[in-house]
Amino acid sequence: DQQVKQNSPSLSVQEGRISILNCDYTNSMFDYFLWYKKYPAEGPTFLISISSIKDKNEDGRFTVFLNKSAKHLSLHIVPSQPGDSAVYFCAASGQTGANNLFFGTGTRLTVIP
Amino acid sequence: DADVTQTPRNRITKTGKRIMLECSQTKGHDRMYWYRQDPGLGLRLIYYSFDVKDINKGEISDGYSVSRQAQAKFSLSLESAIPNQTALYFCATSDPLQAGRKTQYFGPGTRLLVL
Repeated sequence: DQQVKQNSPSLSVQEGRISILNCDYTNSMFDYFLWYKKYPAEGPTFLISISSIKDKNEDGRFTVFLNKSAKHLSLHIVPSQPGDSAVYFCAASGQTGANNLFFGTGTRLTVIP
Repeated sequence: DADVTQTPRNRITKTGKRIMLECSQTKGHDRMYWYRQDPGLGLRLIYYSFDVKDINKGEISDGYSVSRQAQAKFSLSLESAIPNQTALYFCATSDPLQAGRKTQYFGPGTRLLVL
């Protein structure tokens, strides 16, 4: 049972425009959310995170928004650059001591020059 | 040098063979994890370890075993490989005492093909 869902397998955006990647979750016990970026033949790289006590976190061109009532988060990349082309994974962690991460299925972002 | 390394990077084996995937880290983190990724699926947790004496099963541990030889080393074994264990395997680490304590740091992955 997929507790973290990324319903868009792929997204194409023009360079300079905004990229919006979406993620939904089902477990209300999740209290920490992360976005990872993955290039081919590499491991996932941590990008940005947000705690459930916040609704927005920003780091340079990347902003994550959290809507707890809708159990939805999104990653905004603005302006998008060709180097942002990668697979983006959303992940969530609960309040248990294990702090294990539950991953979505990923969204492949292509930024067109 | 990479903080989290995995060997081998690619492996082809036959059904029934025993194989070991190795992970080493220089981050000084106590917690280590093994995940697998299948096409169209996210990463799924196989095993995790909070320290050398603490090993825990993850979501999909059947058919796998692990060994935490030292703080820096965490190995994943397939006792008798089967074709549906063909996947991309990732090792990760985390430090619960660090700011952003739930963030995990991943190795480059091992691509395994079981024939």
